[in-house]
Amino acid sequence: EVQLVESGGGLVQPGGSLRLSCTASGFTFSNYYISWVRQAPGKGLEWVGNIKQDGSEKYYVDSLKGRFTISRDNAKNSLYLQMNSLRVEDTAVYYCARDFRARVADYWGQGTLVTVSS
Amino acid sequence: DIQMTQSPSSLSASVGDRVTITCRASQSISSYLTWYQQKPGKAPKLLIYEASSLQSGVPSRFSGSGSGTDFTLTISSLQPEDFATYYCQQSYSTPRTFGQGTKVEIK
Repeated sequence: EVQLVESGGGLVQPGGSLRLSCTASGFTFSNYYISWVRQAPGKGLEWVGNIKQDGSEKYYVDSLKGRFTISRDNAKNSLYLQMNSLRVEDTAVYYCARDFRARVADYWGQGTLVTVSS
Repeated sequence: DIQMTQSPSSLSASVGDRVTITCRASQSISSYLTWYQQKPGKAPKLLIYEASSLQSGVPSRFSGSGSGTDFTLTISSLQPEDFATYYCQQSYSTPRTFGQGTKVEIK
């Protein structure tokens, strides 16, 4: 069974940093692009970015470039999202998702809530 | 960035109704259009990819059509479990932008 489990969310002050993790099981992790998608409370979905199978290519939404960094460790079946200089507007549930054919998120984790507040 | 516009933003319908949701891209995206369903407090669920391909396990009452800039998600006979919010997303280019969502509510 394909599973993705996010962790690392919590309360952080504006300007702070947080690192989210996503641990995968039930499929060959190193064969897939993986994406991060976020959803602010009561709002729609926003694609954050994704990372190629070997980590050699990463893509981000322009508004987050320079603050957020996606990485992966295929030996640990894990994906990471390093978030720096956090802002109140980064408050959201963050989902990781497996990318089918590198374009379609076919399996999603349950999400982890990040709250940026003083 | 490619802008995705869904309509309507919300709709009320009854069980058994035929429901149609549209999604328009700001430029041609070929058939790189995906539809997701999301229920409150849950992760999105993949319904349709490449505009018209039904994801395994998704009921056949869901169908998708379109290419270029105009796309449609149709639910042929709305069931109680279909009340949810539906999102389209383009995967033609990064960033893979979503539509704003369409909330399907019980009439």
